[in-house]
Parts: sequence; C-alpha cells; structure tokens
Amino acid sequence: EADIYQTPRYLVIGTGKKITLECSQTMGHDKMYWYQQDPGMELHLIHYSYGVNSTEKGDLSSESTVSRIRTEHFPLTLESARPSHTSQYLCASSESGAASGNTIYFGEGSWLTVV
Amino acid sequence: GESVGLHLPTLSVQEGDNSIINCAYSNSASDYFIWYKQESGKGPQFIIDIRSNMDKRQGQRVTVLLNKTVKHLSLQIAATQPGDSAVYFCAEKPRTGGGNKLTFGTGTQLKVEL
Repeated sequence: EADIYQTPRYLVIGTGKKITLECSQTMGHDKMYWYQQDPGMELHLIHYSYGVNSTEKGDLSSESTVSRIRTEHFPLTLESARPSHTSQYLCASSESGAASGNTIYFGEGSWLTVV
Repeated sequence: GESVGLHLPTLSVQEGDNSIINCAYSNSASDYFIWYKQESGKGPQFIIDIRSNMDKRQGQRVTVLLNKTVKHLSLQIAATQPGDSAVYFCAEKPRTGGGNKLTFGTGTQLKVEL
C-alpha cells in the first residue's frame, strides 16, 4: 500500500475561488506527479517534479500551478476556479533510479466540482 | 502523437471465470508497461508490470502477456471475483526521455456477474 495522501477528497467551490489541493507522501520519493482524470476517461499528466524546486508542465495543458518546496509535499493551486476545472485530480509519486523508479503510486484523488 | 488504447470499454464475466483485458500500444520505443486497477472513487492501484525484454510475467492470480511484434499487451485474471470489478488501465513508458512519465489508455470496465 502506497503512503500518499490527498486532501480534500471532495470539494465543491464557486467560480472564481482560489483552491489548493494538497498532496503528501511519506515514502521519500523524489518524483511526484499530478494527473487529471474525467469520469470514465484516461489519466492525463498535468504537472510533474523530479525533486525539490523542480516543476514541469505535463502533457495536458492546465491553468493550475504547483510547487515543490519539500520532498514530501506537492500542492496544486487553481488561482481562479472555473466550471471547466471540474474533474478528479490524482497525485502520484515514484522513486528515482532506473532499477526501481518505474512504478508510480497514486493517492486516492481529489474530486473538484466548480459551480 | 503516440497513444495507448484499449480494445474494449466494458468486459462482463461470470464469477469464477478467467478475464482477459487487452491493450494496444503504438509507441515501439516503449520499454515498460504497467497495469493499474481503479475502483470507483479511488486512485489507480498498481497490479503488475512487465519490461519489454520479457513476454510474460505472473503475479497472484494475474498474468501479463506482451507481444512486441503486434504491440499488444494483455492482462489475464484467473478465477475472477466480485472484488475484481473495476476499471483497468494499461500504461506505457518510453525507453528514452520522459523520465517516469507514463501514458495511460482509456481503460476497460470489468464487471463481474454473480
């Protein structure tokens, strides 16, 4: 079982509000990721980080931003939420190193609804 | 761009039967493949993985088969149980570049009928 935690699990907010989705992992993994997933659809990578102070945009363009000040923490922020941001956001992490770094472990997800 | 896709969106099986979930990939440079299980309302859970230098790998009740000639991956679940009901995703990683970024397919919904 992976030790990666996301809060909040479910959130309904109004348009224009600022929201931060929290993600923490206790496995000491260097690499962390945020995926976006609409119901019944595939996962799309929106952000990733290879370590502290390292953040990159993923394959799917997103208006959200991320930060990596500590190894274990990788929060995602939406400055002004819109209904189009309604989705599930999944945080994940993996080890570094070719030998062991391929498996990505996911958190339980944060369901965001913007009304 | 390159994509990973699944053949069937929904698979229904009887409890106790074997399940086979298929996945086609198009990136010939992929060298690592993972199957994930995602139950409703939860994040994807790692099931089994396989490297491109292998064609078969077995786990507990699950077997992954890789056919690089036709770029096809399958997940076999033996004696399917109600707890196996979930969406199953295959994911692939290229041999070079991209770090650990995985490309996911659409997913197959497995429904186990009693």
